[in-house]
Amino acid sequence: DTGVSQNPRHKITKRGQNVTFRCDPISEHNRLYWYRQTLGQGPEFLTYFQNEAQLEKSRLLSDRFSAERPKGSFSTLEIQRTEQGDSAMYLCASSPDRDQPQHFGDGTRLSIL
Amino acid sequence: EDQVTQSPEALRLQEGESSSLNCSYTVSGLRGLFWYRQDPGKGPEFLFTLYSAGEEKEKERLKATLTKKESFLHITAPKPEDSATYLCAVRGYGGSQGNLIFGKGTKLSVKP
Repeated sequence: DTGVSQNPRHKITKRGQNVTFRCDPISEHNRLYWYRQTLGQGPEFLTYFQNEAQLEKSRLLSDRFSAERPKGSFSTLEIQRTEQGDSAMYLCASSPDRDQPQHFGDGTRLSIL
Repeated sequence: EDQVTQSPEALRLQEGESSSLNCSYTVSGLRGLFWYRQDPGKGPEFLFTLYSAGEEKEKERLKATLTKKESFLHITAPKPEDSATYLCAVRGYGGSQGNLIFGKGTKLSVKP
């Protein structure tokens, strides 16, 4: 069990650029979740996958955001035309099934210049 | 709407001074209540899951309890290494099929 891995750990980009983050879940975990966390707040749910199927999206996930999990293993989260308000920590979590605890990676911190 | 409120926002303790953190929740049928610890610049680290009122879980100096409206995280004789932000989250039966609703956390500082 190597834990949930996220890359890069920190991304700095200019407003209007596109960015992509990667998450490698704990192996054999069917469920993969994306959250966003801003300073002084708890994580907020964005979307989740069961295997390769994206089953739910939050209202927070605007049209500029897209997530994939092509083979039911790793996942990517892409943000197009980044805005200042996108600056946050993007966290990925995985779990074996719906009722088991979610285990988080250390996140990707996005800074928009 | 499912909601989690944690108090206090921040807590300063001397080493060895026991205390409790509170997590109040409203949820349409509790499917599970979760406690996490988060260190600066890191992701949340899972501590406990509680499923029904009256349930208790312990791990080293931490003990989590659950009632129908709130949960407490009791810290006995804390040490400086217990300093972190403690997050509470709930999962309900209504609406979402698996995401967690988090509180804002309690930032704990333990001074030697």
